[in-house]
Amino acid sequence: NAGVTQTPKFRILKIGQSMTLQCTQDMNHNYMYWYRQDPGMGLKLIYYSVGAGITDKGEVPNGYNVSRSTTEDFPLRLELAAPSQTSVYFCASFERKAEAFFGQGTRLTVV
Amino acid sequence: GEDVEQSLFLSVREGDSSVINCTYTDSSSTYLYWYKQEPGAGLQLLTYIFSNMDMKQDQRLTVLLNKKDKHLSLRIADTQTGDSAIYFCAEMRNTDKLIFGTGTRLQVFP
Repeated sequence: NAGVTQTPKFRILKIGQSMTLQCTQDMNHNYMYWYRQDPGMGLKLIYYSVGAGITDKGEVPNGYNVSRSTTEDFPLRLELAAPSQTSVYFCASFERKAEAFFGQGTRLTVV
Repeated sequence: GEDVEQSLFLSVREGDSSVINCTYTDSSSTYLYWYKQEPGAGLQLLTYIFSNMDMKQDQRLTVLLNKKDKHLSLRIADTQTGDSAIYFCAEMRNTDKLIFGTGTRLQVFP
């Protein structure tokens, strides 16, 4: 049982490039969330999904897109990367609202 | 406002109790959580409380909830150096958004 797996762990992007951050969970959870954490700051919700085919914007969705074609996968797409998107990105999944499992994070630097 | 607020820093002596406070925003939030983050690591769920409760105890941890004031607190008894970390509260709003607080950095000194 791997839990929540995020790839890659680290990435450096040039301004204007695109990339997809992968998040996979093997716990059959319906709820999945993407957060970003800037240095010394709290977590900000980017997008979330309460089931396959359903996605909603969080607090800071601009510059990102998501899809949820399967229960297991919730990829986060960055189009036209900007330095302001330099951050650590965390994916989380829930089965019941009381227990959240977090991935280990993806550290992204945009230069 | 929309932010879940916490004080930035707390410094306590080893063996004392720590109390970390949080003011959340949505009176209809269903669950409230406390997470711990150690340097360079992800988030670890410490405990949670359902909104119809006003207290929950779990070993050294005690959570108090005041729904009227939208105030949540986490008390850590007999604080140890291993408790040094950043602590986040979070609220699960009835829109299914899980919103985190700004974080409190707990420093424990001998």
